[in-house]
Amino acid sequence: QLQLQESGPGLVKPSETLSLTCTVSGDSISSSSFYWAWIRQPPGKGLEWIASIYYSGTTYYNPSLKSRVTISVDTSKNRFSLKLSSVTAADTALYYCARLVGVTGAFDIWGQGTMVTVSS
Amino acid sequence: QSVLTQPPSVSAAPGQKVTISCSGSSSNIGNNYVSWHQQLPGTAPKLLIYENNKRPSGIPDRFSGSKSATSATLGITGLQTGDEADYYCGTWDSSLSAWVFGGGTKLTVL
Repeated sequence: QLQLQESGPGLVKPSETLSLTCTVSGDSISSSSFYWAWIRQPPGKGLEWIASIYYSGTTYYNPSLKSRVTISVDTSKNRFSLKLSSVTAADTALYYCARLVGVTGAFDIWGQGTMVTVSS
Repeated sequence: QSVLTQPPSVSAAPGQKVTISCSGSSSNIGNNYVSWHQQLPGTAPKLLIYENNKRPSGIPDRFSGSKSATSATLGITGLQTGDEADYYCGTWDSSLSAWVFGGGTKLTVL
């Protein structure tokens, strides 16, 4: 069965770049019809979509974060990654990776999430 | 301010029925599929409803979804204490070219 696992530093300094990786197990990240996405949730708040990517490299970004975000995929390692630059305390959140059924479908499989705190 | 509007909270007694609304516009709900997620305390969101009214395998038929024009509704019947969670609606916004979520609704089973 498909599983997603986020990994990366739990603490990032202000103005630095947050880097996270989501490793996919149980199926190929190159499966057609699926996109792969990052979603975050600040403490006590709601969900915010960050970005989505197809295995071929097609990407979609949240307009409010686009200037600071890069999503990429590594099919050889069956994983995809997120980079968020110039972070501030407002970027402190639980970061989830998820599988998206088609670019406008639904997020059907989620990772357990990884907490990232931005602090000096 | 979320693009999709949900009530912050709803409550009902065990065994009763509750509905959660999600209001949007023609650029999102009006022309795209709506999904609903359940987030139990301390856990990742779980897909409850996709394509407006379809349930993934394993989701009981106590959960239902519907859509009309620019609004969607999640219904839960036979409420159980284990249903206490935050519920989020979501959809693609064609104008923003972005996925959008509602602000979430906290369900309390009294």
